[in-house]
Amino acid sequence: QSVLTQPPSVSGAPGQRVTISCTGSDSNIGAGADVHWYQQVPGTAPKLLRSGVPDRFSASKSGTSASLAITGLQVEDEAEYYCQSYDPSLSVPVFGGGTKLTVL
Amino acid sequence: QVQLVESGGGLVKAGGSLRLSCSAPGFTFNVYYMSWIRQAPGKGLEWISYISNSGKSTYYADSVRGRFAISRDNAKNSVYLQMDNLRSEDTAVYYCARDRSAFDMWGQGTVVTVSS
Repeated sequence: QSVLTQPPSVSGAPGQRVTISCTGSDSNIGAGADVHWYQQVPGTAPKLLRSGVPDRFSASKSGTSASLAITGLQVEDEAEYYCQSYDPSLSVPVFGGGTKLTVL
Repeated sequence: QVQLVESGGGLVKAGGSLRLSCSAPGFTFNVYYMSWIRQAPGKGLEWISYISNSGKSTYYADSVRGRFAISRDNAKNSVYLQMDNLRSEDTAVYYCARDRSAFDMWGQGTVVTVSS
């Protein structure tokens, strides 16, 4: 069971907007730790999603949760998405369980 | 393009050992923390260990503490993962990653399969 909680799957049609949530706790996201997002296409290594690159991707954080929004969905966005933060009390990184994005 | 290159994976029996290597050419290796992250078949990402830029500090996930050991050789731009007393649940793709709070650079991964 992952420390951060993500929905197992989300879907949307090309051109639509989807959001992926990432719920943590006061021990990680709520403690002020940064949240990072990764995209993993099957069979490849995860790739860090840098803020606003491309500008269709945007990340936000509030309290003990974070979210990744993808606008103007494209077929090539179909992948697994992971959130990652840090637990300062344990001095270790923590991951979400991953969300599979399907572009219908 | 700067990239990390892992090696050393393979098939091993439960209770056996493997040593993974990760080569990091193309950037100033000795200023970065480095981590190992694994992904079991069909599962998510699991961070398992990191080492400070000097090598003096190391941390491990509970699942591998006492069995795995991370080390680095800054002169060779390399980081290693010694894995002992392997279990079937250690079967995974093992990635090394450059650790800057975010993991901003990853290798292609090396496959470790532990047979029972």
